[in-house]
Amino acid sequence: EDQVTQSPEALRLQEGESSSLNCSYTVSGLRGLFWYRQDPGKGPEFLFTLYSAGEEKEKERLKATLTKKESFLHITAPKPEDSATYLCAVQADSNYQLIWGAGTKLIIKP
Amino acid sequence: EADIYQTPRYLVIGTGKKITLECSQTMGHDKMYWYQQDPGMELHLIHYSYGVNSTEKGDLSSESTVSRIRTEHFPLTLESARPSHTSQYLCASSELGDSNYGYTFGSGTRLTVV
Repeated sequence: EDQVTQSPEALRLQEGESSSLNCSYTVSGLRGLFWYRQDPGKGPEFLFTLYSAGEEKEKERLKATLTKKESFLHITAPKPEDSATYLCAVQADSNYQLIWGAGTKLIIKP
Repeated sequence: EADIYQTPRYLVIGTGKKITLECSQTMGHDKMYWYQQDPGMELHLIHYSYGVNSTEKGDLSSESTVSRIRTEHFPLTLESARPSHTSQYLCASSELGDSNYGYTFGSGTRLTVV
């Protein structure tokens, strides 16, 4: 069964304290893995698409990496405005619909 | 600026009422989706459409229906609201065949059925 598991559920960091969020997935043929950011009361906002193991993408303080079993979202020297819930989703070759994780709630304290 | 709009933002309604959640996008995207999201939980796909006059059910069983008469408009209708329908409803759109830009989501409708 295709599934996505994100960890931790919540992460509290001090401003400037770098860390990583994990997205583990089981899918029969990966078409793509997606990262989104969701602020309270809003819909998810697209960040990255990763297609194959070894691929990396960066945007400001965020860097996403992909292996055959998991993806990491690395956040370097985070700021309070990086506080949000980060969602991971995968798309399988057999079914174009996205399978979503439950998200990691990231809180950055000033 | 291209965007996707959902109305209403908040809705409190009584059991048994019929409601329609509106969703419109200005990007000309062929693909549109309705998701249900509860706090701390995964997004669950309710319905999707690949274009005008195309609608499909997602994996979340629902008593809702959708229509796609115009490319830009994808309303969701609940014929008889129940307390179990209380949730956040998110509408999204994407370009056909292009994953590089992901989905664009609206801000959602928070529905409470009393």
